[in-house]
Parts: sequence; structure tokens; C-alpha cells
Amino acid sequence: GENVEQHPSTLSVQEGDSAVIKCTYSDSASNYFPWYKQELGKRPQLIIDIRSNVGEKKDQRIAVTLNKTAKHFSLHITETQPEDSAVYFCAASKRYGNKLVFGAGTILRVKS
Amino acid sequence: KAGVTQTPRYLIKTRGQQVTLSCSPISGHRSVSWYQQTPGQGLQFLFEYFSETQRNKGNFPGRFSGRQFSNSRSEMNVSTLELGDSALYLCASLGETQETQYFGPGTRLLVL
Repeated sequence: GENVEQHPSTLSVQEGDSAVIKCTYSDSASNYFPWYKQELGKRPQLIIDIRSNVGEKKDQRIAVTLNKTAKHFSLHITETQPEDSAVYFCAASKRYGNKLVFGAGTILRVKS
Repeated sequence: KAGVTQTPRYLIKTRGQQVTLSCSPISGHRSVSWYQQTPGQGLQFLFEYFSETQRNKGNFPGRFSGRQFSNSRSEMNVSTLELGDSALYLCASLGETQETQYFGPGTRLLVL
């Protein structure tokens, strides 16, 4: 079955710096890749997603890139702020939105 | 629209007991997925229901079961609870247009 690996497991950055989180997936049939942010004690919230027919998507300070050939995708957060501190999960799905397979998560700490 | 709701929010049970958790999706959404979140295993897919039928199933033992009602509300049941079933159980709803999965706040289950 599908397997998603996520790196790094923890990431500390200074406020204003950029943060990059990378994921690789194993099943070439996967075609939908969302990213979720989970703050302590709260539900995962979608921050951005990308479909396999798109190479890059951007939403203000957040961007996601997808390399289908290499089977990896990355989350880029620019101008980080303390409120960006949270656990970030990547995921992959063969069907748009269904049966998500998650990465292990990245703890992002933004130091002010 | 109101978001995904889950009840109860917290539960304490003892080994051997059974438990039923409830999830109400976003109005108009017909698909409900269930996930288990633990520190050791991360976020893992349990099953998905669509129009009262199980459409996808993860790799969990038969002690984990679910159902969906005609109003799209879903329940999951865990029988013969084990200590390892202690987790945050999240449900997510997905609209007919196959939009992104939106998570509920979760039910935190503690098995003693």
C-alpha cells in the first residue's frame, strides 16, 4: 500500500525565515496531496493542497511543489511567524480527498 | 455552514469494554471518514462511509466497526477495548464535489 515519508521530524527557525518540509510517496497512482496544520489539542486544518496535474500552488506565504517523477512534494512557508508553530502533516490519496495516507508529521517551532 | 461535530469529546473506559463514537458531517456532505491518531502510529485511516455504505477500509482489526445513517451521521464502535486503543479519534467529511476532507475536533479516548 501507499507509504508517505516526511522530513524533518522537527524544525526550528527564526521568525521571518523560511521553512521547508518534504514528503515522498510510494504509490505512483496517488494524485492528491494535502497539507494539514495541527495546533496542540486542536483538529488538523487544511492549509493547502495540490493535485497531480499541477506542479506548484501558492497561497500567500504558503506554497506547495510537486515532482511526480521523483514522487515527492514539499511545503514552503516564507516569512514565518510565531503563530506558524504547530505540527504539519503531509498526506497522499489516490482519490481526490479519500483515504488519506499521512506522513509522520513535522513539529515546526518559530522562535521570536 | 456548521463544521464537523463529534461527540463525546472525551471518554474514559476500561479494558474489555466497548465504546461508540458519533460524528455529524458538514451539512450536505455524504462521505465520512474515520482516523485514529496516536503519538506512536500517527494518523491512520480506519474506514470511510458514503451513502450508508462502507466504501474504503483501513488495516484495523474487526473490533473496529462503523456505520452511517440516512442523514449522513456516522458512528464508530470499538469492542473489547485494549490499552492500545487509547487515541484521538477524528472524523472528516467530504462533499459530493469531492472537495477536501474537513476534520472534526475529535474524541479523545483513554482506556485504563
